[in-house]
Amino acid sequence: AQKITQTQPGMFVQEKEAVTLDCTYDTSDQSYGLFWYKQPSSGEMIFLIYQGSYDEQNATEGRYSLNFQKARKSANLVISASQLGDSAMYFCAMREGRSSYDKVIFGPGTSLSVIP
Amino acid sequence: GAVVSQHPSWVICKSGTSVKIECRSLDFQATTMFWYRQFPKQSLMLMATSNEGSKATYEQGVEKDKFLINHASLTLSTLTVTSAHPEDSSFYICSASYRGTNTEAFFGQGTRLTVV
Repeated sequence: AQKITQTQPGMFVQEKEAVTLDCTYDTSDQSYGLFWYKQPSSGEMIFLIYQGSYDEQNATEGRYSLNFQKARKSANLVISASQLGDSAMYFCAMREGRSSYDKVIFGPGTSLSVIP
Repeated sequence: GAVVSQHPSWVICKSGTSVKIECRSLDFQATTMFWYRQFPKQSLMLMATSNEGSKATYEQGVEKDKFLINHASLTLSTLTVTSAHPEDSSFYICSASYRGTNTEAFFGQGTRLTVV
């Protein structure tokens, strides 16, 4: 069964506008972590933001914020003031458990295109 | 952030030959590394968990004898694709985390394998 769902295969956003990328997850663990990564066409994986299941505050990193709704099991990424360089694939990922030994699995991804 | 280096960045090999891909954590010790495979326009699929000093743990459906993983030291894991076939052509990427909890997974640059 799909543990991470990203329902938007592709998204467009106007430059300087904000955009929300959706992510829902499925786990029975109480302790887990959620990540967002950006993958440009070069293939590298760029870490954007992390949210722990016990974190009460939504995570923020510069223009990125994570809208964490635990009861709904959703962890949407909000990018404010979009830039042309934000055009890339975006992956939501989850680690069940909080240790470096626990594996990280990825959602199907959302392709974001920023329009000038 | 921490640096994970993967080598080579790309490789072309003949069908039936073996190819070795290296993943190094340059500035930290990684007791656990993960190997992923990514087909074009798809997500990262976890292949195996590589543990220093012990056998790798493979995900369901991944052939152990075909994808040999060795984690000989705290900074190096290798993936060997044995008797490569054209269907093994893919993007292979590794990741590692610091020991501890709530840790980001750092990724190598990835290796694009083409089997001809």
